[in-house]
Amino acid sequence: GENVEQHPSTLSVQEGDSAVIKCTYSDSASNYFPWYKQELGKRPQLIIDIRSNVGEKKDQRIAVTLNKTAKHFSLHITETQPEDSAVYFCAASKAGNTPLVFGKGTRLSVIA
Amino acid sequence: ETGVTQSPTHLIKTRGQQVTLRCSSQSGHNTVSWYQQALGQGPQFIFQYYREEENGRGNFPPRFSGLQFPNYSSELNVNALELDDSALYLCASSLGTGTSNQPQHFGDGTRLSIL
Repeated sequence: GENVEQHPSTLSVQEGDSAVIKCTYSDSASNYFPWYKQELGKRPQLIIDIRSNVGEKKDQRIAVTLNKTAKHFSLHITETQPEDSAVYFCAASKAGNTPLVFGKGTRLSVIA
Repeated sequence: ETGVTQSPTHLIKTRGQQVTLRCSSQSGHNTVSWYQQALGQGPQFIFQYYREEENGRGNFPPRFSGLQFPNYSSELNVNALELDDSALYLCASSLGTGTSNQPQHFGDGTRLSIL
């Protein structure tokens, strides 16, 4: 089955700097890759997603890139702010109504 | 638009007991997926319900069971509770089309503690 690896497990950046989180997946049939932000004690919140027919997607300060050949995708957050501090999860799934396979998460701390 | 709601928010049980967790899907969504999130880990897929039928199951024993109602709300039942069942149980709803992936939106979860 699908296996998703996520790095790093923890990341500290200065406010205003950029943060990059990377994920790799094993199943070449996976074609949908969402990213979730989970603040302490709260629900995972979908922040951006990308499908395999697109190489990059951007939404304000957040962008995701996908390399299907290498089977990896990355989350880029620019101009980080303290409220970006949270645990970020990447996930992958195949076509159709299929479950998400999550990475283990990255704890991002933005230091003011 | 009403989001995904789960009940109860917290629950304490003892080993061997049974528990039922509930989830109301987001308006317009016909698919509910249940995940178990252990402390410091990513969510692990338990099973999914699509139009009242089980539509996939993860690596969980049969004592984890569920159902989906005609209004697309869902229940997760766990029998013979074990200490390792202590976790946050998340429900996510989506609009299943059978062909394309649709975003899954999560509820706040039920935190289950087994003593």
